[in-house]
Amino acid sequence: GAVVSQHPSRVICKSGTSVKIECRSLDFQATTMFWYRQFPKQSLMLMATSNEGSKATYEQGVEKDKFLINHASLTLSTLTVTSAHPEDSSFYICSAPGGLAGLGDTQYFGPGTRLTVL
Amino acid sequence: AQSVTQPDIHITVSEGASLELRCNYSYGATPYLFWYVQSPGQGLQLLLKYFSGDTLVQGIKGFEAEFKRSQSSFNLRKPSVHWSDAAEYFCAVGAAGGYNKLIFGAGTRLAVHP
Repeated sequence: GAVVSQHPSRVICKSGTSVKIECRSLDFQATTMFWYRQFPKQSLMLMATSNEGSKATYEQGVEKDKFLINHASLTLSTLTVTSAHPEDSSFYICSAPGGLAGLGDTQYFGPGTRLTVL
Repeated sequence: AQSVTQPDIHITVSEGASLELRCNYSYGATPYLFWYVQSPGQGLQLLLKYFSGDTLVQGIKGFEAEFKRSQSSFNLRKPSVHWSDAAEYFCAVGAAGGYNKLIFGAGTRLAVHP
């Protein structure tokens, strides 16, 4: 089956530093990946669409200069939280669609990354 | 605008009892609908999906869901709940009329009593 991994699973950083989160499709290629944010006991909110070879598309209200997205290859997308502050603490989840890989009309989700900003 | 409502934040059932989790959606056309389950430390797992055709869809782990256009609902059911079903359940609609950008409901946390 299709597997999406994320690294790291947990990260704690000081306020003002930048943190990079990786999302990899392990056994299939994805020209598009999606980044979600989940607050405690709340739902997933779509942040942006990561496009291989082009700029990411951000949802309304998401600061693109705060959340930098790079889709470096067909199996890797990275989310960098720049100048992180405590309010950026959250659970970040990525997903990749399996359609182009012949895996059906389904999104495959990574296990998430817990970011804590002190 | 598309939206998904899960009216029940928490549900507790006894093991072996039947389960129904409610989901209502708002979407102008025929929606792509999904149910995902999230367990601690694990990624969201797809239980089932509806795109078209038979309105009663079967999923993994004994779950099923029924699409009712007249009620804008896509409720998830299971005839007999197991303790391992305790998790967070999310209903989602494909925002762009497909399966890519997903809009999620708030989730329903299921607790199972022995």
